[in-house]
Amino acid sequence: QKEVEQNSGPLSVPEGAIASLNCTYSDRVSQSFFWYRQYSGKSPELIMSIYSNGDKEDGRFTAQLNKASQYVSLLIRDSQPSDSATYLCAVKPPGGATNKLIFGTGTLLAVQP
Amino acid sequence: NAGVTQTPKFRILKIGQSMTLQCAQDMNHNYMYWYRQDPGMGLKLIYYSVGAGITDKGEVPNGYNVSRSTTEDFPLRLELAAPSQTSVYFCASSYSNSRETQYFGPGTRLLVL
Repeated sequence: QKEVEQNSGPLSVPEGAIASLNCTYSDRVSQSFFWYRQYSGKSPELIMSIYSNGDKEDGRFTAQLNKASQYVSLLIRDSQPSDSATYLCAVKPPGGATNKLIFGTGTLLAVQP
Repeated sequence: NAGVTQTPKFRILKIGQSMTLQCAQDMNHNYMYWYRQDPGMGLKLIYYSVGAGITDKGEVPNGYNVSRSTTEDFPLRLELAAPSQTSVYFCASSYSNSRETQYFGPGTRLLVL
């Protein structure tokens, strides 16, 4: 089992719709979770971080964390063509003092005008 | 404040050649990382450093070496380049606080022929 799993997509949604991106992780005691957005040919940029069960909202983005079920999701409301990118889920494993992250392979989101 | 910078942006190497990928950050981050990203794949950690003079292997260290003589710089050395090292290389850095995430440089695209 991969440590961090994402559906590779592409996930296609019409402009204005809600895009739902999901990620599961294998280490039950992981504590920190991050969503990065990566445009084609560019570097990953942080979108959201979440540490506690529940929802965290930032503008059109909502991160949801369910530690019991070991999944984290990202909702994008009112999707825009500019949201078209690959979204990487990253999980910080427990222990150590290195801030190492384990990345999923990413989900490609395509927002259709 | 330039963040994380990487040079060169693109390089073509012949099999067996060597080169150094440069990475620098001006955020006074203790932790620095090198990743490679192959098409359709996630980010794989090559090496990381938790401070000047301290480095350790990540998931895919073979064929690479690093050094960390200053807080700001973290060069990655490729010895005897092989076609399997064709990839995009990202450098990242973070604070040592356990909730801090990583910030990425723009990447170096390397082609080994």
